[in-house]
Amino acid sequence: QSVLTQPPSASGTPGQRVTISCSGSSSNIGSNTVNWYQQLPGTAPKLLIYNNNQRPSGVPDRFSGSKSGTSASLAISGLQSEDEADYYCAAWDDSLNGRGVFGGGTKLTVL
Amino acid sequence: EVQLVESGGGLVQPGGSLRLSCAASGFTFSSFSMSWVRQAPGKGLEWVANINEDGSEKYSGDSVKGRFTISRDNAKNSLDLQMNSLRAEDTAKYYCARGRWNYVYWGQGTLVTVSS
Repeated sequence: QSVLTQPPSASGTPGQRVTISCSGSSSNIGSNTVNWYQQLPGTAPKLLIYNNNQRPSGVPDRFSGSKSGTSASLAISGLQSEDEADYYCAAWDDSLNGRGVFGGGTKLTVL
Repeated sequence: EVQLVESGGGLVQPGGSLRLSCAASGFTFSSFSMSWVRQAPGKGLEWVANINEDGSEKYSGDSVKGRFTISRDNAKNSLDLQMNSLRAEDTAKYYCARGRWNYVYWGQGTLVTVSS
């Protein structure tokens, strides 16, 4: 059972806009920033969004993040076939002397 | 070019120990916190531990606390994870990542299998 809750799956057609939610609590999302990672099959995760809504260099602006209270979301606009991957939210949690926590992951399928 | 190369994975019996290493290059190792993240086969990501730049501050996840120890050698540009009292549920690919929490750079991972 992951500390952060994500839907196990999401889907969309090319060109569509999809969103993936991430729900936490006051000790993690409520008091710290949220990161999002993309993981393609057989590869290491890639940082997609950091500090709630910042994109590292090289990440297309089709990807955007937001946070409100104890929830966050990742939006992907202009969906492309290469976006098919697993997506994970992550946040630092201030409980138990501090720890990192991830969501369980969302498998995005491009139909 | 930033490179992180993990080593030390393999098959170990329950209750056994294993030491993972991560060789870093392409950046000033002593200027960055470092972390370990794992992923069980077919499962999601799980944060394991991190260590600050000089090794004076360490944090670890609930599931490994008291069994795993993170350490670093800035002279050798190396990050280690000493894993003791291993359990079947520790079976995973272990990734080394640069940073305390925002992980732009990851290694390719090393597989640890705990089984009799």
